Amino acid sequence: AQSVAQPEDQVNVAEGNPLTVKCTYSVSGNPYLFWYVQYPNRGLQFLLKYITGDNLVKGSYGFEAEFNKSQTSFHLKKPSALVSDSALYFCAVRAPNAGNNRKLIWGLGTSLAVNP
Amino acid sequence: DAMVIQNPRYQVTQFGKPVTLSCSQTLNHNVMYWYQQKSSQAPKLLFHYYDKDFNNEADTPDNFQSRRPNTSFCFLDIRSPGLGDAAMYLCATSSGIAGGPETQYFGPGTRLLVL
Repeated sequence: AQSVAQPEDQVNVAEGNPLTVKCTYSVSGNPYLFWYVQYPNRGLQFLLKYITGDNLVKGSYGFEAEFNKSQTSFHLKKPSALVSDSALYFCAVRAPNAGNNRKLIWGLGTSLAVNP
Repeated sequence: DAMVIQNPRYQVTQFGKPVTLSCSQTLNHNVMYWYQQKSSQAPKLLFHYYDKDFNNEADTPDNFQSRRPNTSFCFLDIRSPGLGDAAMYLCATSSGIAGGPETQYFGPGTRLLVL
């Protein structure tokens, strides 16, 4: 069965330190991978996606993600965390060649807390 | 700015009283989605429209219906809300390129409270 795992329910980092939010997936083929962020009582905001090509993807607000095919991972990173980055982060996957099946497979989310 | 708009942001209804949530978009996207999200859980897809074609998820209760009168608007109707339907309802859109890496763009959500 296809699945996405975010192994950490919560990540705590100090402001100014690098942050990593982990995501691994189990999808056949070469999937499309997405990261979204959700602030309290708000909708999801698209951060970045991996389609093909360069394994390092740069996105909004200084975030980037590294695709690792051998480890089936797509970890979200930022070199220097801000308090305003504190939010809920979701990893999602869409199987390639899915045709009209547009359903995303979602991770359970990771709550990021950046401490001043 | 192109965007996805949801109204109202907060909706209170009574147990069993029909309620309608609305979504509009200025992105001119072919696909519109409705998700249910409970207490910081992952969003759960209820259904989506590709243009006028309705695609229901197998586990979406019959209590949930949707209408898409035109490209810009989509409605979520909950025929008889139960306490378990209290949640954040998210609308999203995507361009509609089949098989491609369609990015879904979300509205701010409507939080539904059932009394």
